[in-house]
Amino acid sequence: SQQGEEDPQALSIQEGENATMNCSYKTSINNLQWYRQNSGRGLVHLILIRSNEREKHSGRLRVTLDTSKKSSSLLITASRAADTASYFCATDALWSGGGADGLTFGKGTHLIIQP
Amino acid sequence: EADIYQTPRYLVIGTGKKITLECSQTMGHDKMYWYQQDPGMELHLIHYSYGVNSTEKGDLSSESTVSRIRTEHFPLTLESARPSHTSQYLCASRGGIDVATNEKLFFGSGTQLSVL
Repeated sequence: SQQGEEDPQALSIQEGENATMNCSYKTSINNLQWYRQNSGRGLVHLILIRSNEREKHSGRLRVTLDTSKKSSSLLITASRAADTASYFCATDALWSGGGADGLTFGKGTHLIIQP
Repeated sequence: EADIYQTPRYLVIGTGKKITLECSQTMGHDKMYWYQQDPGMELHLIHYSYGVNSTEKGDLSSESTVSRIRTEHFPLTLESARPSHTSQYLCASRGGIDVATNEKLFFGSGTQLSVL
């Protein structure tokens, strides 16, 4: 079953603007991670936020996590044309003694940065 | 740069052929995974492994099989390919003793499979 659900599905903004993507999930998690995928390639890890953290920064990235609402957001500040890619949130579920190991991914947000 | 490699990058084959997608990592990771992804869609976990001689099925049912004879190698095999198997297959791994990094996945570049 799908765990992460990103919103919006697609986002087009001008270079220099900020981009915000949201993710909702369903079950209890150990951590939530954001990944980036350039067209037709593998995914690259961007940032991880643990269930006991509320906000985390890495360069131009800012991630928030609200476990009461089961949601997270990824903010990319001062966007660049090279940021054009798909962005996925992925949840690492708390061990429940029966589920599959591995991250569960959402459908992703396709971000286009117009030069 | 991730030290995980997938071959071939692209594969176009006819129905009924047996194929093996290769995945190797040089990071010494115990856990390895295969995900299937259709264009513009989410990734679905089809197989994973905790280590040598360990293989488990993922959340999405798949007709493919995997093996884990060596830590670094996790090949995926389709005995008889069909058009419904057309998709991108992504291999990933994680592990190590550094708790700051051992939960994140490292991905290969993927194999785009087209079955005619």
